[in-house]
Amino acid sequence: TQLLEQSPQFLSIQEGENLTVYCNSSSVFSSLQWYRQEPGEGPVLLVTVVTGGEVKKLKRLTFQFGDARKDSSLHITAAQTGDTGLYLCAGLTGNQFYFGTGTSLTVIP
Amino acid sequence: EAQVTQNPRYLITVTGKKLTVTCSQNMNHEYMSWYRQDPGLGLRQIYYSMNVEVTDKGDVPEGYKVSRKEKRNFPLILESPSPNQTSLYFCASIKYSGGNNEQFFGPGTRLTVL
Repeated sequence: TQLLEQSPQFLSIQEGENLTVYCNSSSVFSSLQWYRQEPGEGPVLLVTVVTGGEVKKLKRLTFQFGDARKDSSLHITAAQTGDTGLYLCAGLTGNQFYFGTGTSLTVIP
Repeated sequence: EAQVTQNPRYLITVTGKKLTVTCSQNMNHEYMSWYRQDPGLGLRQIYYSMNVEVTDKGDVPEGYKVSRKEKRNFPLILESPSPNQTSLYFCASIKYSGGNNEQFFGPGTRLTVL
């Protein structure tokens, strides 16, 4: 069961460009998290959003939770090569976590 | 240092040979979880445990067993591994506090079943 769909699956952009990654579902989540994963390592938490419509900023990263708590987006402003990695969203429903399919981002110098 | 350790990091085995992947955390978290990661599918939850002696099936539990005899350890057992269990496995220890949860992942175990 793939509850969370991420788009795009792959993204390659030039340094300095902006981008948005989407995480969509037909299910409602009590909270939604975004993680970044480097090759050979486990995912690392970037942010948790809890309230419908919530917006959180982490330096150049902006996270938004949909009003109905079914979807989320991650926007990166002026991407840097250090942003390269696999971005994963994860939703909590009940006591279970469901991860998205992932977006592999490559930022080219 | 707060951490989640997994062993082994890499394992190549043959079909039907029982194996155990260990997971240990030093953060005193009650919630622990096992995931497998496959290309195009993201991470899928195999089993999770909300506390000692309490385990629940996740999304893909078939072919796996777990136990939680003490808070810090949560081993994953494959009684009779098959090639479709070839995957990258992650253990996670979760600071579970209602809305604001944080999952701390181990370094991963890459398993190949021939």
